Amino acid sequence: DTGVSQDPRHKITKRGQNVTFRCDPISEHNRLYWYRQTLGQGPEFLTYFQNEAQLEKSRLLSDRFSAERPKGSFSTLEIQRTEQGDSAMYLCASSLKDLGAKVTETQYFGPGTRLLVL
Amino acid sequence: ILNVEQSPQSLHVQEGDSTNFTCSFPSSNFYALHWYRWETAKSPEALFVMTLNGDEKKKGRISATLNTKEGYSYLYIKGSQPEDSATYLCAFYTGKLIFGQGTTLQVKP
Repeated sequence: DTGVSQDPRHKITKRGQNVTFRCDPISEHNRLYWYRQTLGQGPEFLTYFQNEAQLEKSRLLSDRFSAERPKGSFSTLEIQRTEQGDSAMYLCASSLKDLGAKVTETQYFGPGTRLLVL
Repeated sequence: ILNVEQSPQSLHVQEGDSTNFTCSFPSSNFYALHWYRWETAKSPEALFVMTLNGDEKKKGRISATLNTKEGYSYLYIKGSQPEDSATYLCAFYTGKLIFGQGTTLQVKP
């Protein structure tokens, strides 16, 4: 399977604990995005990388959230001191962006990590 | 703040019915509109990427139209089947995707 994969698929944690999620994008994709989806809402943008550089972070992303893409391949999203409000589906997407052309690109999504904070 | 709205929020139809949903988005600074289908326990699947005013795209029984001047897109499903049951999301592209809240379609056999 050469699609986007995410691990774990489900995570239950207690309030105050730290959690880390992993995303493996489609090989050769230069962009990687993180979104969060809560019940009844569409996915909300959190952050994105172009290769290993983190180019944008949403104001939704508090200081407790950090994301990395150390070698421009897989990415991790860490949430420190989790709160019940962090319970959501965390989606990762990747794309191949033609940096020399002003065109949109399709983002390919993984299956998500569902987080429940008790 | 960019606002993308979808209606209706949910829809229940009988197998064989045709249906359509609406996506409203800002008409200024338009770049592209994406449509996704998201089935339960699966990854969101890209359906269409629409860039030009008047665009019409088709994939099997599903088609979409785009009006960038008035800021809306319609998604049509002809002869709905139970396997079409999913949440349909539109997203306004600004480099990142700004999603609507989705339309959840349930097709009853």
